[in-house]
Amino acid sequence: SQQGEEDPQALSIQEGENATMNCSYKTSINNLQWYRQNSGRGLVHLILIRSNEREKHSGRLRVTLDTSKKSSSLLITASRAADTASYFCVAGAGSYQLTFGKGTKLSVIP
Amino acid sequence: DAGVIQSPRHEVTEMGQEVTLRCKPISGHDYLFWYRQTMMRGLELLIYFNNNVPIDDSGMPEDRFSAKMPNASFSTLKIQPSEPRDSAVYFCASSQDRGATNEKLFFGSGTQLSVL
Repeated sequence: SQQGEEDPQALSIQEGENATMNCSYKTSINNLQWYRQNSGRGLVHLILIRSNEREKHSGRLRVTLDTSKKSSSLLITASRAADTASYFCVAGAGSYQLTFGKGTKLSVIP
Repeated sequence: DAGVIQSPRHEVTEMGQEVTLRCKPISGHDYLFWYRQTMMRGLELLIYFNNNVPIDDSGMPEDRFSAKMPNASFSTLKIQPSEPRDSAVYFCASSQDRGATNEKLFFGSGTQLSVL
C-alpha cells in the first residue's frame, strides 16, 4: 500500500464556489479513491478512478488522474455548506492495505 | 443493509482498565479493517482480516492491543491495559472481495475512546 498526500491541508470557500483538492502519490497504482469524512463520523467513499482512466464524474464531483505526474484532483462544483468535511485520497497499489493521508479540511461558508 | 455497526459509540475508562470495541461488518463482505484516528497521526491501519483470518497486524501498536474475528459477522478490538495515549477514534471498515484489490471501504461511525 502507499499513502496519498492531500493538498492543501485546509481550504475555505464561499457557498456556490468550486473547491479543488489535490492528491499526490509516489509509485505506480491500480486505482485511486476519494473519501469524505464529516465531523464525528466515519469515512464515506465518494469515487474510485482506475489507472487507465483520466477523468470521472459523479454528480457535482469531478476527479482527474494523471499517472505521469502521479497526481489526482477532486473538484466539487457549486459547493454547499453540507460539503464541509475532510477529504482523503487513497492510492491503491495492489494490496488490500489502504493507507490514508491527513486529508484536506474543506470549510464552505454559507 | 444497516452498514458497518460499531459499539459503543463512546467509551470513557480509566487507565489500566480493559477496553473492548465491537464491530459488525456488512453481510457478505470478506475483509474487515480496524483503523485508529488521532489529530497527530491521522488514520492508521491497525489490522485487517480476510475471511475471519488476520492477514496483517503490523499496525497494532503494542502487545496491549489484540483483535479477533470469531465469525464473519463479528470482530473485537481489545486493549488491555488501556493507557491515556490510546485515546482516539477507532473505526472498523469492511469491503467485498470482487477479485480485484483495493475495493472501496465501508466505514462504521467509530468508537470515541477516552482513557483518563
